[in-house]
Amino acid sequence: KAGVTQTPRYLIKTRGQQVTLSCSPISGHRSVSWYQQTPGQGLQFLFEYFSETQRNKGNFPGRFSGRQFSNSRSEMNVSTLELGDSALYLCASSLQQGGFSTNEKLFFGSGTQLSVL
Amino acid sequence: AQSVAQPEDQVNVAEGNPLTVKCTYSVSGNPYLFWYVQYPNRGLQFLLKYITGDNLVKGSYGFEAEFNKSQTSFHLKKPSALVSDSALYFCAVRANNNAGNMLTFGGGTRLMVKP
Repeated sequence: KAGVTQTPRYLIKTRGQQVTLSCSPISGHRSVSWYQQTPGQGLQFLFEYFSETQRNKGNFPGRFSGRQFSNSRSEMNVSTLELGDSALYLCASSLQQGGFSTNEKLFFGSGTQLSVL
Repeated sequence: AQSVAQPEDQVNVAEGNPLTVKCTYSVSGNPYLFWYVQYPNRGLQFLLKYITGDNLVKGSYGFEAEFNKSQTSFHLKKPSALVSDSALYFCAVRANNNAGNMLTFGGGTRLMVKP
């Protein structure tokens, strides 16, 4: 079974631009979560989607948004990029929405490394 | 708000020796605790979790963790370290069932196992 697939692997943008990152979860997984990883702030939760609905949201500005499609694939969008948005963006999928299964486990993709110049 | 502390940025251990990676947490209510490992240029991989039940949790690759409620700790352990265990280890907590997959991660501990 294929793992979580994130595209693109690397991305270089300039300040003020917008970017869209894509995540394909493991087949059959219905929950997709996004995390930002930076050397300074570590791993921070962005949002979680389940059945095309945002279930939880982290403490990020409105420039960060996401969506989930009916096939559970998810996209994350960052508008008006800032230098501080440079990070590794990780997508994780799970079978069920977190907290609703005894099989609590997130499967992470390899991430998209975003550099904002 | 919940928080996780991993007091050691790096842990060095010789191959074959036991290893411990420390984690303490702060959360309202019953904690849901996790350990994940990250290898270079890879995403995180699940090692083990504590939801309820026995305080000693066994996980992947021979790792185990001990939940200590009075000390609010969830230290990761392995009886005999391998060079291939060298990686970045993250402890995480989820506050309650309503938090979904919104995990709060510690800052990570780099484990270096030397031959």
